[in-house]
Parts: sequence; C-alpha cells; structure tokens
Amino acid sequence: AQRVTQPEKLLSVFKGAPVELKCNYSYSGSPELFWYVQYSRQRLQLLLRHISRESIKGFTADLNKGETSFHLKKPFAQEEDSAMYYCASMFSGGYNKLIFGAGTRLAVHP
Amino acid sequence: EAQVTQNPRYLITVTGKKLTVTCSQNMNHEYMSWYRQDPGLGLRQIYYSMNVEVTDKGDVPEGYKVSRKEKRNFPLILESPSPNQTSLYFCASRTGAGNTIYFGEGSWLTVV
Repeated sequence: AQRVTQPEKLLSVFKGAPVELKCNYSYSGSPELFWYVQYSRQRLQLLLRHISRESIKGFTADLNKGETSFHLKKPFAQEEDSAMYYCASMFSGGYNKLIFGAGTRLAVHP
Repeated sequence: EAQVTQNPRYLITVTGKKLTVTCSQNMNHEYMSWYRQDPGLGLRQIYYSMNVEVTDKGDVPEGYKVSRKEKRNFPLILESPSPNQTSLYFCASRTGAGNTIYFGEGSWLTVV
C-alpha cells in the first residue's frame, strides 16, 4: 500500500540548531512529494514541493529515490518555525488524493 | 483573493442530528476533496470530486456523504453524526493542470 511515514511525533530543538524532519514513502513509481506546514491549528500551507527544488523560509528537501526519503532540513531553526509539519505524496493516478504522514511537531526553544 | 471557505468553523452537535459543512472555492478548480485530521493519524481523505456530478470515496468515507452540483461548492454531509466523527475537517481544491492543493481554514466538529 502507498504510505508516507514520519517517524518522529515531536522534534524539540533550540534556536539556531539544525533541523531535520524525516519522511519516507513507500511506492515503486515516481511520486510527487510535498511538505505542508500548519501553525497553531490553522489551515495547511504548502511549504515546498520536490519538483520545484526551491528553498522556502530557509527549508529545503531533497528527494532520495534510493532511500525513498524526502527529509526536510533547515540549518538554523527559528522560534517562528514551531509548527506541525506534514509530509505528503501524490502518486500517479492519484487525482486529487494526497497521502499524508502522521505529522511531526517541531518545537523550537529560545 | 484565492480562497477555500468552510462553514461552520466550529460546531458542537448531538449524536444523530444531521449536519452539513459547506465548502466553497473561488478559483474555478475542478478537483475538490474533504479530509479529516486526527492526532497521530495525519490527514485522511474522506471523499473527493473531479468535477461537477463526479464524486468518489476516499480512505474513510463511512458515515459521510458529499455532493457536487456546482463547480464551486462541495458540501460534506453527516446524516447521523456519531462521537467518532469528532475531528477537524479540511476542504481542499486544486486545478486539473497543477498539483498545488489549497486548503480551507478547517472546521472543528464535536459530536456529543
């Protein structure tokens, strides 16, 4: 079954520390991968998508097909980065269907 | 401004009392869908629609109905709500040409 796994429920770091939020997917084809961020139970906002290869708010994510991973990274965490982060994948033929991981809460302490 | 609008944002209701959560988008998107968000489970798709009068079940459709009579609206109907439907619900839409999905602000539903 197609699945997105985020192994950490909570990641707690200090301001200025590097951050890596893990995401693994199970699919033999070529999925499209996304990271969404949700601040304080607000709507989900698209943070970045792998096909864009862009950096948003200092975050980057690289698709590693060998490891089937799409980890989210930031070299220096800021307090305003504290939020829920969801990795999601849209598989071929998935139409409007995003498959989400369970989410990781990032807490950045001063 | 591109928007996905849900109503109500907050609702407490009783078991068995039918309710409808409305969703409207102003972007002329073909695809719309409903998700529920539960702790530890992330977001799970309830129903989706590829266009007017075209709907299909997602991963957790039991206890829900939808309709798509107009392109902009995609209401979620709970005919007989039960406490296990207490959740945060998100409506989402996207155009057929791209994969960026726009989410509504969410509707907190509590069934007692």
